[in-house]
Amino acid sequence: EAQVTQNPRYLITVTGKKLTVTCSQNMNHEYMSWYRQDPGLGLRQIYYSMNVEVTDKGDVPEGYKVSRKEKRNFPLILESPSPNQTSLYFCASSHRDSSPLHFGNGTRLTVT
Amino acid sequence: AQKITQTQPGMFVQEKEAVTLDCTYDTSDPSYGLFWYKQPSSGEMIFLIYQGSYDQQNATEGRYSLNFQKARKSANLVISASQLGDSAMYFCAMRENDMRFGAGTRLTVKP
Repeated sequence: EAQVTQNPRYLITVTGKKLTVTCSQNMNHEYMSWYRQDPGLGLRQIYYSMNVEVTDKGDVPEGYKVSRKEKRNFPLILESPSPNQTSLYFCASSHRDSSPLHFGNGTRLTVT
Repeated sequence: AQKITQTQPGMFVQEKEAVTLDCTYDTSDPSYGLFWYKQPSSGEMIFLIYQGSYDQQNATEGRYSLNFQKARKSANLVISASQLGDSAMYFCAMRENDMRFGAGTRLTVKP
């Protein structure tokens, strides 16, 4: 089944404790992206990747890191999480043309 | 930078009536794509409809149609014959290289 898999679905952590949210897709998509969703703000792009070893900042990259060592994986790393990073996070992927994004099921992160 | 604006935080519509959700965008790139997604209360993102900037005809997918007015840079979503299951958040998005989203409109369908 074609899908984007994010893990974990829910995560509660404390300020400063490094964490990684994994994202994997099995559709051979070149493009992958991370978004955070907050009430009233819609989905804001954190980072995106047009292909392996190519990553670019989105609108809200501060406090986040990503890597794209393999085509299928695009992990989101929070080196030192803070409470303002409490949010719902989505990973998405697509081919690099006009294809729609395929979304993961989301990760709800709470930082206390 | 590209920008997408959805000016209606919330909308109400009576069941079986049509509703239009507004979306305007800003870009200087002649080649782009416009998308609408639905997010029900369960949280998943569901792709509804796509319009390319060079497409001459407005896109349609079942009860969804996209009213594309290129000169005005608007890409409104029209849902015909609303159903209770249409109650959800709706996001407009635009793609040049990457995909950016608007703030969304929460649609409530009343019985």
